[in-house]
Amino acid sequence: GQNIDQPTEMTATEGAIVQINCTYQTSGFNGLFWYQQHAGEAPTFLSYNVLDGLEEKGRFSSFLSRSKGYSYLLLKELQMKDSASYLCAVKDSNYQLIWGAGTKLIIKP
Amino acid sequence: IAGITQAPTSQILAAGRRMTLRCTQDMRHNAMYWYRQDLGLGLRLIHYSNTAGTTGKGEVPDGYSVSRANTDDFPLTLASAVPSQTSVYFCASSEGGSGVDEQYFGPGTRLTVT
Repeated sequence: GQNIDQPTEMTATEGAIVQINCTYQTSGFNGLFWYQQHAGEAPTFLSYNVLDGLEEKGRFSSFLSRSKGYSYLLLKELQMKDSASYLCAVKDSNYQLIWGAGTKLIIKP
Repeated sequence: IAGITQAPTSQILAAGRRMTLRCTQDMRHNAMYWYRQDLGLGLRLIHYSNTAGTTGKGEVPDGYSVSRANTDDFPLTLASAVPSQTSVYFCASSEGGSGVDEQYFGPGTRLTVT
């Protein structure tokens, strides 16, 4: 079967750095996505990786290793507004997104 | 402002009743999707449409039906609601095709079936 694993919850301090990991086993691979979802709101797109390596976008970076079935989202200079759930999703061989359950990130002052 | 709208925002529905969740996008996207989101589970695809006039089944299609008569609208119907269909429902759209093809989500409909 297809599976996306990420930690259920993480806590970090304002101003610090946090890394959220995602491992996947899917039938085929056509890219990995990270979305942010604030409580009670819709998911919004953060990043996309299809080749191995690091993609940087401001305070957020995303890394992919296809051979290891592994990705991480790195958030730098954490702000209180970064408190949210972070969803990892993989586009499979049918070009459909398979979603992880999400990691709830709690930022403490 | 361009985007996706969903209606209603929330609904309490008696088991056995029929219900249609509405979704409209004004971005002229080809592809549209319906997901449900339940605590502790990832978003699960119910149905999708790659282009107007076509639909397909996702991971959890049973008990749901969709239609795509035009580019903008993608309603989801529960023919006879059951308590296990209590969930938050998100509609999404994307341009379609290969590449990034990021999905844009509507604000969601919170449905409770009693």
